Amino acid sequence: QKEVEQNSGPLSVPEGAIASLNCTYSDRGSQSFFWYRQYSGKSPELIMFIYSNGDKEDGRFTAQLNKASQYVSLLIRDSQPSDSATYLCAVSVNAGNMLTFGGGTRLMVKP
Amino acid sequence: DTAVSQTPKYLVTQMGNDKSIKCEQNLGHDTMYWYKQDSKKFLKIMFSYNNKELIINETVPNRFSPKSPDKAHLNLHINSLELGDSAVYFCASSPRTLDSPLHFGNGTRLTVT
Repeated sequence: QKEVEQNSGPLSVPEGAIASLNCTYSDRGSQSFFWYRQYSGKSPELIMFIYSNGDKEDGRFTAQLNKASQYVSLLIRDSQPSDSATYLCAVSVNAGNMLTFGGGTRLMVKP
Repeated sequence: DTAVSQTPKYLVTQMGNDKSIKCEQNLGHDTMYWYKQDSKKFLKIMFSYNNKELIINETVPNRFSPKSPDKAHLNLHINSLELGDSAVYFCASSPRTLDSPLHFGNGTRLTVT
């Protein structure tokens, strides 16, 4: 069983819609959760991080964490074609900063 | 510019050769990492290096060796390159603060022929 799992997609949404990206993790001791965006041929860039159960909003992005269900999600409101990228979920499964990444979900936002 | 920089950006070499990838960060971070991203886009941790403490992912072959001359540099040396080593290698850094986000370099695309 993979430690961090994501649907590889592609997830296709029309411009202006809400994109919902999901991630599950296996280690109940995980404390920190990160969402990175990676454009083709580029390096991952941090979008959001969340440590506590509930929702965390930053502009058009909302991260949701449910530790009981071992589930973290990213909502992108008013999706734009420029949001088209691969979104990587990362979890800190050890004490320290050894992040474990999911395989990523490819998002396509169609004009 | 404050950043994590790695060189070269592209590296093409033949099987059996030895090569190095260099990484430098000027963010003042205490911890540096090497990640490997394969053709399926899976990012896997290879090494973490903090204050001379090296944490190795046990699945990494011992042909791979990180070298850190100082806190701002973490180079990756690869011996006896194999076809399966072809991937994009990312250097990253983070503050010593527990569970801080990673800052990635731009990656080195290694192709072994």
